[in-house]
Amino acid sequence: DTAVSQTPKYLVTQMGNDKSIKCEQNLGHDTMYWYKQDSKKFLKIMFSYNNKELIINETVPNRFSPKSPDKAHLNLHINSLELGDSAVYFCASSPTGNSYNEQFFGPGTRLTVL
Amino acid sequence: AQTVTQSQPEMSVQEAETVTLSCTYDTSESDYYLFWYKQPPSRQMILVIRQEAYKQQNATENRFSVNFQKAAKSFSLKISDSQLGDAAMYFCAYRSYLKTSGSRLTFGEGTQLTVNP
Repeated sequence: DTAVSQTPKYLVTQMGNDKSIKCEQNLGHDTMYWYKQDSKKFLKIMFSYNNKELIINETVPNRFSPKSPDKAHLNLHINSLELGDSAVYFCASSPTGNSYNEQFFGPGTRLTVL
Repeated sequence: AQTVTQSQPEMSVQEAETVTLSCTYDTSESDYYLFWYKQPPSRQMILVIRQEAYKQQNATENRFSVNFQKAAKSFSLKISDSQLGDAAMYFCAYRSYLKTSGSRLTFGEGTQLTVNP
């Protein structure tokens, strides 16, 4: 019954490692997003995909690379992890077109870089 | 670019009382959407209420209502009959009407609400 799921929910890793976070939605939405929530709880958009096409690419280091194999999945791969990458990463999805539509969020992935 | 400001980092309310959370935003657009999201300790983001800018009538969802002042660019959230389960971080968010914006949400800094028994 889960609408937007993310794996893993917690990720602890060493600096310099490469890691991926997976996101899947079963709502039939066309648009998916990645948001980052920093230690002060501030939420900011990172990427957005619509039907597997990149729509938004905010000022994010190119160590972050989103990949959308199909419109139900949007994964986030992070290379050469740094201490400052520690945050909670949220995946979200919404239908395309009517911006009144709610964005549904996943449970978040807490990434800790040691 | 749009900005959203929540000037109250923390608020507290007694159970059964009413509390109002403030939000202001800056935009040059005439059509847009505004949202309040709630994030409890579980960290799940939950939509509380939403408002379309072209509608003058304030949105209401049970105990939650908004005071939308378009000219003042203000969008406050009123919680009536506060319950312990309302304790959470509350985020105000802006969404452009324009498709070129990519339908992104722009969030405020959040207000941590404590409900005292």
